[in-house]
Amino acid sequence: AQSVAQPEDQVNVAEGNPLTVKCTYSVSGNPYLFWYVQYPNRGLQFLLKYITGDNLVKGSYGFEAEFNKSQTSFHLKKPSALVSDSALYFCAVRDSDTGGFKTIFGAGTRLFVKA
Amino acid sequence: DAGVIQSPRHEVTEMGQEVTLRCKPISGHDYLFWYRQTMMRGLELLIYFNNNVPIDDSGMPEDRFSAKMPNASFSTLKIQPSEPRDSAVYFCASRKGGSNQPQHFGDGTRLSIL
Repeated sequence: AQSVAQPEDQVNVAEGNPLTVKCTYSVSGNPYLFWYVQYPNRGLQFLLKYITGDNLVKGSYGFEAEFNKSQTSFHLKKPSALVSDSALYFCAVRDSDTGGFKTIFGAGTRLFVKA
Repeated sequence: DAGVIQSPRHEVTEMGQEVTLRCKPISGHDYLFWYRQTMMRGLELLIYFNNNVPIDDSGMPEDRFSAKMPNASFSTLKIQPSEPRDSAVYFCASRKGGSNQPQHFGDGTRLSIL
């Protein structure tokens, strides 16, 4: 069965500092991995995805994520945080070997960037 | 490009009333998903459609919930009768084929059942 874990409910970081939002996953086959961001009163917005190839994936708004197969992790990173990055972040996984019909979302991590 | 459009954005109604939520997916997308988001339970998948056909409705909480997709450009989620515990934000999302494609979410309907 597929599962996603976001071990931190909240991450606090100062503006200008690097940020990391953690995600680990479990699938029986090969994973398709996604990060989404949700701002207040808005739907989830796609940030980036890992399908295959280079383990470092670059996405929108300067975010990137590193796929680590041995640690079954897909942590979201940004070199220099902005106050406007404060939002709710969701990691999601789809199992490519089962047809990939269902996406499993993590519980979300709230990022708070302090000026 | 127009994104996923949901209506209404807010709905407040009394317990026992019928509630209908509407969704227009992105043109050309062949998958449509309905989610519910609450503080307690997070984001829950209720049902999804492929080419207008319901594929998996195992997330629908009970028979009071029903969803239809009469054509490729419209879907509804209906609750009848509504209960206070149905209060949540309901999202519709669509996706174009390929399991490696992301979902595109609407901005949701905030439902309050009094």
